[in-house]
Amino acid sequence: EPEVTQTPSHQVTQMGQEVILRCVPISNHLYFYWYRQILGQKVEFLVSFYNNEISEKSEIFDDQFSVERPDGSNFTLKIRSTKLEDSAMYFCASSVQASTGELFFGEGSRLTVL
Amino acid sequence: ILNVEQSPQSLHVQEGDSTNFTCSFPSSNFYALHWYRWETAKSPEALFVMTLNGDEKKKGRISATLNTKEGYSYLYIKGSQPEDSATYLCAFPPDTGNQFYFGTGTSLTVIP
Repeated sequence: EPEVTQTPSHQVTQMGQEVILRCVPISNHLYFYWYRQILGQKVEFLVSFYNNEISEKSEIFDDQFSVERPDGSNFTLKIRSTKLEDSAMYFCASSVQASTGELFFGEGSRLTVL
Repeated sequence: ILNVEQSPQSLHVQEGDSTNFTCSFPSSNFYALHWYRWETAKSPEALFVMTLNGDEKKKGRISATLNTKEGYSYLYIKGSQPEDSATYLCAFPPDTGNQFYFGTGTSLTVIP
């Protein structure tokens, strides 16, 4: 069964360092998302991506964040200069359709910023 | 930011008991309501995507209903089993855009 894969599963970094989280969405999916969950809090939307561009982003997704689909299979989230409050579980998801298409999630990348 | 609420926050039931929990969402601009099941150390998996008022969907012992006019959905589990232990999340994508707003989840523990 096709699945969304994410790497790394856990990354520890120093504050101010750049981090890249990688995702391989399901191959025939068209919509790609990044969500995050800070420990004990709700799952929060970061960004959605469709047709090779950002279709929507939340207020969390500021200039420190960027996304890319460099080669037609990978979907990456870059955090330029990490802050302590960026520590969270980051989930990539993909879907065939927006809104009514079920989200298929990866297993998450846990980011710890020291 | 839209408010999606789930209750209760956590629930402990005995094996064999039936249970239900609630997701409430803004009733205006409704487009769809999703339910996901999230087991510890795994990724969330879709249970249902509901779009029509009065919809009722079923998967095995799990079913869900939808009331878009009053803005709530119920998830029912009949004859709970230990393997049903998980967090159940609802997610609401408003018709404007394609971001999903998640509830805080209901954590279900089924005691053997």
